[in-house]
Amino acid sequence: DTAVSQTPKYLVTQMGNDKSIKCEQNLGHDTMYWYKQDSKKFLKIMFSYNNKELIINETVPNRFSPKSPDKAHLNLHINSLELGDSAVYFCASSDEWADTQYFGPGTRLTVL
Amino acid sequence: EDQVTQSPEALRLQEGESSSLNCSYTVSGLRGLFWYRQDPGKGPEFLFTLYSAGEEKEKERLKATLTKKESFLHITAPKPEDSATYLCAVIHGSSNTGKLIFGQGTTLQVKP
Repeated sequence: DTAVSQTPKYLVTQMGNDKSIKCEQNLGHDTMYWYKQDSKKFLKIMFSYNNKELIINETVPNRFSPKSPDKAHLNLHINSLELGDSAVYFCASSDEWADTQYFGPGTRLTVL
Repeated sequence: EDQVTQSPEALRLQEGESSSLNCSYTVSGLRGLFWYRQDPGKGPEFLFTLYSAGEEKEKERLKATLTKKESFLHITAPKPEDSATYLCAVIHGSSNTGKLIFGQGTTLQVKP
């Protein structure tokens, strides 16, 4: 009965590689988000999608590309990984843009 | 610039010792203020949403209040299981994107 799920939980990779993180929500929400939590635990929004349409694209490098195949899924693809990309990435969803956002368990990305 | 500041950064309490966490915000018109709890290695877990000054919400030992400049999370007679990082976040009034602006969090440790 998981509401927002992410895979994988942990991702360890070498610099320069390309990787993807998947997110799925079964809450029937229209809006989904990606957040990045740095080593100081500070959470910052990266992207938001509403009904498969990109709404927010914060100042994130072009190497990050979100893809929403349908309302229930929002994947994050990262090209040419860099050391500074190491962080925990959270997916979230909400019914409307101003409503409560529900977060997934996170994906800890480590770039070596 | 929209900003959320939480204090203290860390708080140690004895079991049963009540206290309050502060969240100060400067946003161009508050649309909503959210409190989350985050346990180590997990995603933020929703606690409360407050929309207008004077509003209060309670859940077990937690009570959240809101004024025009800040919010408090009051913890009454805390137990060790209340140990976690508590995050505050806001959405400003003119936003139609769902962009949550987070504070840096308060890490609470409750000793038995």
